[in-house]
Amino acid sequence: SQTIHQWPATLVQPVGSPLSLECTVEGTSNPNLYWYRQAAGRGLQLLFYSVGIGQISSEVPQNLSASRPQDRQFILSSKKLLLSDSGFYLCAWSRGGADTQYFGPGTRLTVL
Amino acid sequence: GESVGLHLPTLSVQEGDNSIINCAYSNSASDYFIWYKQESGKGPQFIIDIRSNMDKRQGQRVTVLLNKTVKHLSLQIAATQPGDSAVYFCAENGNNDMRFGAGTRLTVKP
Repeated sequence: SQTIHQWPATLVQPVGSPLSLECTVEGTSNPNLYWYRQAAGRGLQLLFYSVGIGQISSEVPQNLSASRPQDRQFILSSKKLLLSDSGFYLCAWSRGGADTQYFGPGTRLTVL
Repeated sequence: GESVGLHLPTLSVQEGDNSIINCAYSNSASDYFIWYKQESGKGPQFIIDIRSNMDKRQGQRVTVLLNKTVKHLSLQIAATQPGDSAVYFCAENGNNDMRFGAGTRLTVKP
């Protein structure tokens, strides 16, 4: 069966520091991968998606970037965090663009 | 633009009662719908899905109803339990991608 991992689970970082969040998927090949941010009490905001290694699409202009160095690895990064980057970050995978998305456990990021 | 929305942001029910959570969609081209459950501090979990060639699908204690005429989707939870307290949101696959609603917070009172 497929599983999706995210780490770290929680992170507290000072403003201006770098960020690296990692997501890995097991049990499937060539998945679509997604990064979402969820503000408290709000819906999911799609940040990036990837249909293959090295292929990244950005949904909104922002302070973040994403990379997919391996088929089942998706990384969310920032060179300098802003206060507004605080939130709950979710990684998800699917077999195709219109297929069911399965979510990881999430990373709670607090920027102070 | 077209989007997935919800009728109620919060719902409070008594333990043991049935819960009904609603969702409206506007993309008539959507043919696949999903309900997710998200507990506090956790990632969303797939609950049940339905394709547009069906109007009802049942799972364990959950039923999804689809009314394509009025573009309405609902999730029914039978004999609601404290563990059902969570945010529930729907998703549709319009425009060859998945779009998610903001969610309804279900609170179960003992």
